[in-house]
Amino acid sequence: NAGVTQTPKFRVLKTGQSMTLLCAQDMNHEYMYWYRQDPGMGLRLIHYSVGEGTTAKGEVPDGYNVSRLKKQNFLLGLESAAPSQTSVYFCASRTGGGLNTEAFFGQGTRLTVV
Amino acid sequence: AQTVTQSQPEMSVQEAETVTLSCTYDTSESNYYLFWYKQPPSRQMILVIRQEAYKQQNATENRFSVNFQKAAKSFSLKISDSQLGDTAMYFCAVHSGNTPLVFGKGTRLSVIA
Repeated sequence: NAGVTQTPKFRVLKTGQSMTLLCAQDMNHEYMYWYRQDPGMGLRLIHYSVGEGTTAKGEVPDGYNVSRLKKQNFLLGLESAAPSQTSVYFCASRTGGGLNTEAFFGQGTRLTVV
Repeated sequence: AQTVTQSQPEMSVQEAETVTLSCTYDTSESNYYLFWYKQPPSRQMILVIRQEAYKQQNATENRFSVNFQKAAKSFSLKISDSQLGDTAMYFCAVHSGNTPLVFGKGTRLSVIA
């Protein structure tokens, strides 16, 4: 059971380049999230999805877009990367409905924008 | 909006001693869940313990326990018999219903031999 898998694990981009981060989960979870982690800032929510075909903005959505075309996948796109987007990105998923649901995290993607 | 505050950016503890990490939160929801996650140097996020807001009894998982004070909106984590493997970042988090997990900024814990 793979759980939550993020691709790639590391990436270096030049300013202005675009890229897509892929999050895949095999637990049939309804909810999926993208967070970014910066030193001293904790995990901040970028975008999230409560089901296939739905997305919503989180705390820091600017400069990012997302898509949830398939239930198991949640894509995070950077159209024109900026140095301020240098961060570690985490994807998470959990089942919907009740409150007592643990969120499962991917291993993170370290992105550097130069 | 829900918020989580962790007022201790860094802490250290001697091996085998007890340490308490603080967390306060704010939410307008009547029913919610609180979590402590551990992030070791491997970067993996690991659930340590969770607490249901409507349960008065404090949650316990082996050496980890919480002190949940609902009226004060406080949710501290106590680690007993600290081990070197407990060295990590610890994040407090809250969510309710369909709302996403909201995290605090974390506390970096170092266990010293």
